[in-house]
Amino acid sequence: EAGVAQSPRYKIIEKRQSVAFWCNPISGHATLYWYQQILGQGPKLLIQFQNNGVVDDSQLPKDRFSAERLKGVDSTLKIQPAKLEDSAVYLCASSLEPSSGELFFGEGSRLTVL
Amino acid sequence: AQSVTQPDIHITVSEGASLELRCNYSYGATPYLFWYVQSPGQGLQLLLKYFSGDTLVQGIKGFEAEFKRSQSSFNLRKPSVHWSDAAEYFCAARSSGGGADGLTFGKGTHLIIQP
Repeated sequence: EAGVAQSPRYKIIEKRQSVAFWCNPISGHATLYWYQQILGQGPKLLIQFQNNGVVDDSQLPKDRFSAERLKGVDSTLKIQPAKLEDSAVYLCASSLEPSSGELFFGEGSRLTVL
Repeated sequence: AQSVTQPDIHITVSEGASLELRCNYSYGATPYLFWYVQSPGQGLQLLLKYFSGDTLVQGIKGFEAEFKRSQSSFNLRKPSVHWSDAAEYFCAARSSGGGADGLTFGKGTHLIIQP
């Protein structure tokens, strides 16, 4: 079974530029999450999708971050404009049964903002 | 506010020795509790979880965890560590009261194994 795919693995941009990350979840997983993991901290939930609908985006900085999952499968997370403090690893996870608490994570996309 | 605390940033253990990683939570009601492991170059993987019932739960890779309501703790243990256990370990929780399922993670404990 293929795991959660993310790209790009690494991205370096300058502040005020934009960036987009892509995630393809495990086939059949209706729930998809984006987490932000800053160095030395645990992952922080940014947004949760159930199919193509948003379940929770309370911690998403909506003035600069956006995410979509148009067809209920893959998802894109965008940052525009980026700030220095956005430097982090962006993790995508999916789940077949969210109530189980078992999330399957991708390897992440590491963003460096200069 | 709901939170998960892992008091130890780094833990060093000799190979073959026992291990205990600490986790405390602060929630209005007992949450669902989890331990995840993040190995270099790999995504986070679920080790074990506690929802209710028996307070000692068994997980994969020989790990176990004990839930103690009186101490608001969910510590992870392993009787004998192997060099391959070197990784970052995260305790996580989510509300048991329904609603969104997103997990709240602690800051993690970096486990170093000495030969």
